[in-house]
Amino acid sequence: AQSVSQHNHHVILSEAASLELGCNYSYGGTVNLFWYVQYPGQHLQLLLKYFSGDPLVKGIKGFEAEFIKSKFSFNLRKPSVQWSDTAEYFCAVNQAAGNKLTFGGGTRVLVKP
Amino acid sequence: GAGVSQSPSNKVTEKGKDVELRCDPISGHTALYWYRQSLGQGLEFLIYFQGNSAPDKSGLPSDRFSAERTGGSVSTLTIQRTQQEDSAVYLCASSYRDGNTIYFGEGSWLTVV
Repeated sequence: AQSVSQHNHHVILSEAASLELGCNYSYGGTVNLFWYVQYPGQHLQLLLKYFSGDPLVKGIKGFEAEFIKSKFSFNLRKPSVQWSDTAEYFCAVNQAAGNKLTFGGGTRVLVKP
Repeated sequence: GAGVSQSPSNKVTEKGKDVELRCDPISGHTALYWYRQSLGQGLEFLIYFQGNSAPDKSGLPSDRFSAERTGGSVSTLTIQRTQQEDSAVYLCASSYRDGNTIYFGEGSWLTVV
């Protein structure tokens, strides 16, 4: 069974700092990879996704993620965070054939103004 | 509607009572998912429906939980004899068959007292 690990449960940083959130998955086959974000009081929203092609994926709000197949990783990055990036971030994986989406445990990010 | 619609948005129920949570997926989406998000926890997969195929029930935590999807559209998640540990946000999501981007509803917040 596939599993997804997010290394950091909580991250606190100041505005303009760089952010990197780790995500590793266990499935050895072809996968689709996602990052979802949940802002306080809001529902889950798709931040970015990778299906195939360029392993460096750019998403909304200046976020990007890099798929490194050899490391089974899909880390999320943002060069300069803003207070409005305070949210919980979830990495998710499903098999390329289309099936249930398995989520990591989430990382709560707090950006101090 | 344009998005995944869930009702009720909030439900407070007494321990031992049954509850029903409803999900109306995005029109044309054949895949429907139920997840549970408990306080401080990640997203726990519950059940997955894909068209007319037998649902993947592997995530249901006990036989008190059941779900059905009528006519390939609306789904109802039923929790019988609710327990306090059932308190959580129950999220519904839907997607096209190919497993591409999965869209989440705003969730049903269940509190068992």
